[in-house]
Amino acid sequence: AQKITQTQPGMFVQEKEAVTLDCTYDTSDPSYGLFWYKQPSSGEMIFLIYQGSYDQQNATEGRYSLNFQKARKSANLVISASQLGDSAMYFCAMSGFSGSARQLTFGSGTQLTVLP
Amino acid sequence: KAGVTQTPRYLIKTRGQQVTLSCSPISGHRSVSWYQQTPGQGLQFLFEYFSETQRNKGNFPGRFSGRQFSNSRSEMNVSTLELGDSALYLCASRSSGQGAGTGELFFGEGSRLTVL
Repeated sequence: AQKITQTQPGMFVQEKEAVTLDCTYDTSDPSYGLFWYKQPSSGEMIFLIYQGSYDQQNATEGRYSLNFQKARKSANLVISASQLGDSAMYFCAMSGFSGSARQLTFGSGTQLTVLP
Repeated sequence: KAGVTQTPRYLIKTRGQQVTLSCSPISGHRSVSWYQQTPGQGLQFLFEYFSETQRNKGNFPGRFSGRQFSNSRSEMNVSTLELGDSALYLCASRSSGQGAGTGELFFGEGSRLTVL
């Protein structure tokens, strides 16, 4: 079975500083993908970044980068130059097989608050 | 390009009733997935439809069902509602015909169901 662990229920960061949100995963599937989503209070899940298990380089998307350490089974999200609009819940998710279903498994989320 | 549209956004039902939620995917997307989000259980996969066929199913009782129409629009139905069914129900679509591990999911804003 797959499992995603986010150990930081809440994080605070000062505006314009960088912040790292932790994510570890567990799976026996050799092929998987790792995603980060942002969920503002409106409820919509917004895709941020994706890393495939066979990708050699860490993924980057603008101010977002994914620090992928396969041996440690970690996929931390780094947000550079935080902005007030970054305040939201952040979810790490993994694709792969869970039982009979190929689906996304989500972590419990990290509530990020950016302070002015 | 219009995003994923879910209706209704909010609804209140009583125990024992049934409810139908609707999801219109992004134009051209043929895969639609449903997720349930609760404070206690987090985000959990319900099912995925592709070309009118249910391809994957999560670990939910048979009271939860869905379908997909020829225009890719999808509905999910919950019968004999229980208090624990109160949740945000999120629909997501993607363009790839492959499993959830390839291609990002685009989410709607969700339908917030309250069961009294």
